[in-house]
Amino acid sequence: AQRVTQPEKLLSVFKGAPVELKCNYSYSGSPELFWYVQYSRQRLQLLLRHISRESIKGFTADLNKGETSFHLKKPFAQEEDSAMYYCALSPTGGGNKLTFGTGTQLKVEL
Amino acid sequence: DAGVTQSPTHLIKTRGQQVTLRCSPISGHKSVSWYQQVLGQGPQFIFQYYEKEERGRGNFPDRFSARQFPNYSSELNVNALLLGDSALYLCASSLGESRWRETQYFGPGTRLLVL
Repeated sequence: AQRVTQPEKLLSVFKGAPVELKCNYSYSGSPELFWYVQYSRQRLQLLLRHISRESIKGFTADLNKGETSFHLKKPFAQEEDSAMYYCALSPTGGGNKLTFGTGTQLKVEL
Repeated sequence: DAGVTQSPTHLIKTRGQQVTLRCSPISGHKSVSWYQQVLGQGPQFIFQYYEKEERGRGNFPDRFSARQFPNYSSELNVNALLLGDSALYLCASSLGESRWRETQYFGPGTRLLVL
């Protein structure tokens, strides 16, 4: 069975500071990893997926299979980055089944 | 396009009752998935349907059932409600074949409270 762990419930940083949201996973196959974000009063939406290797809104995430991690990073936090962030995993051949972590609330302070 | 829509937005039921939640996917999307999100937790997978067939089921009791209609909309049914069924129920739609790990687009959810 797969598991996604986000160790921090809340992460508070100052505007302009670097951000790193941690995500570790447990899965024996080749998963696909995602970061979803939920801004206040908005629906859950995809931020990025590792297979795309994109930078979205300045965020990047690298899949480290050795450490089974998929940390989300941004060099300079902006106030509009304040939101709930969920790391999610889709197993090999698992179709659309996503296993989510418990989420990290990012608060960017001025 | 309004995106994925869900109805109702809120619902209050008592223990033992039955509830039906509805989801309309994005136009052109053929796959619908359901998730349960308990307060303070991440969403937990319940079902996936593609082309009206069940393609995946999470670790939920048989009280939970779902179906998908020819127009690709979907219903989630929960029988014999328990207090622990109180949660936000999310529907997500994606474009096509389940094996390709399509990007999923989430609806706003239905908040169910069981008293």
